[in-house]
Amino acid sequence: NAGVTQTPKFQVLKTGQSMTLQCAQDMNHNSMYWYRQDPGMGLRLIYYSASEGTTDKGEVPNGYNVSRLNKREFSLRLESAAPSQTSVYFCASSEVAWVDEQFFGPGTRLTVL
Amino acid sequence: GQQVMQIPQYQHVQEGEDFTTYCNSSTTLSNIQWYKQRPGGHPVFLIQLVKSGEVKKQKRLTFQFGEAKKNSSLHITATQTTDVGTYFCAGLRRYKLSFGAGTTVTVRA
Repeated sequence: NAGVTQTPKFQVLKTGQSMTLQCAQDMNHNSMYWYRQDPGMGLRLIYYSASEGTTDKGEVPNGYNVSRLNKREFSLRLESAAPSQTSVYFCASSEVAWVDEQFFGPGTRLTVL
Repeated sequence: GQQVMQIPQYQHVQEGEDFTTYCNSSTTLSNIQWYKQRPGGHPVFLIQLVKSGEVKKQKRLTFQFGEAKKNSSLHITATQTTDVGTYFCAGLRRYKLSFGAGTTVTVRA
């Protein structure tokens, strides 16, 4: 089992460009999450999907959109990238939302110039 | 909103010594989870505490959940170089998990 996979691993964008970060899990988990990690600020929740067909905003959703494509895949889209979105993005999944351990992907390091 | 505070932000430890990192919330938590992130890696789940006053041990790591379920601690004994990394606590309240900023541990051999 690959666990949680994310693509790409690294990405450089110019201000105003758009892109989609992909995430997939092979553990048959119901819930998936997108976090961003900035120095000294821990992990901040962007969006989550408690189950297939549902998505909800987290702590810092502005500038992002998500799609739960199916039970396995949860994508994060930046419509018009800004330098403030320079960060490391982690996708995670869990069997049940919030009460179970979360399994994290390897992360995407995004730089917006 | 809910805030989970971790102290200290940095912990520099001599190999073989013990240390403790603390996690504090202003509100009562349903549970608390602890994760470890190695440099350049991703967070990995360590443990979950649910009951008031709960204590759990994993080899040299001891985790405790406070009686009021507002704070937690992670105590590491006889620190080793493999303990290097950032330790995060995450508190659950009203179906949302909030991560602390983490304690980054470095070890002097």
